[in-house]
Amino acid sequence: AQSVAQPEDQVNVAEGNPLTVKCTYSVSGNPYLFWYVQYPNRGLQFLLKYITGDNLVKGSYGFEAEFNKSQTSFHLKKPSALVSDSALYFCAVRDGDAGRRALTFGSGTRLQVQP
Amino acid sequence: KAGVTQTPRYLIKTRGQQVTLSCSPISGHRSVSWYQQTPGQGLQFLFEYFSETQRNKGNFPGRFSGRQFSNSRSEMNVSTLELGDSALYLCASSTAGTGGHEQYFGPGTRLTVT
Repeated sequence: AQSVAQPEDQVNVAEGNPLTVKCTYSVSGNPYLFWYVQYPNRGLQFLLKYITGDNLVKGSYGFEAEFNKSQTSFHLKKPSALVSDSALYFCAVRDGDAGRRALTFGSGTRLQVQP
Repeated sequence: KAGVTQTPRYLIKTRGQQVTLSCSPISGHRSVSWYQQTPGQGLQFLFEYFSETQRNKGNFPGRFSGRQFSNSRSEMNVSTLELGDSALYLCASSTAGTGGHEQYFGPGTRLTVT
């Protein structure tokens, strides 16, 4: 079985401050991890993914995520938040050793960046 | 490349009716997945099609069905609509849909059941 948890429903941060959106996962095999962002009345946009290799993954719009195998985490980060980053963020996982399995998404974290 | 397109964007139906939603994937993508998004349940996986075959299925009743055509376009159908089917239905396409391949989402179809 595969699952993903986003422990925070909402994260508030001031513009210019660093932001972190948390994600933990559970898979039997090797994890394939993804972050998506959703703006109001829009579909999800792909931000970044971890498949293998360097634990620090860089993605779109200045976002990055750090894969931590021992803590089974894949937290999304950005050094300096913008008001325009305010949106709903989803973490997703697929068990890389489980054949053609669908993605499992977390419940989402709403990021609010205050001016 | 054009993105994933979904039609219609908005739909209002009455309880008991049926509805068909359409999705055109990114050119060259052979995998199409469907999701239901609601405020209470979040993002729930409905099913995935690859080369006209259903490859994965989520935990939804048989009223929800889908299909994929030879050009990779996909449709999903919901019969005997219930009030609880009101949701944003998202379609996503991918080159293969497995492993490390990311999915690209359409803007969604907002279905309201009255």
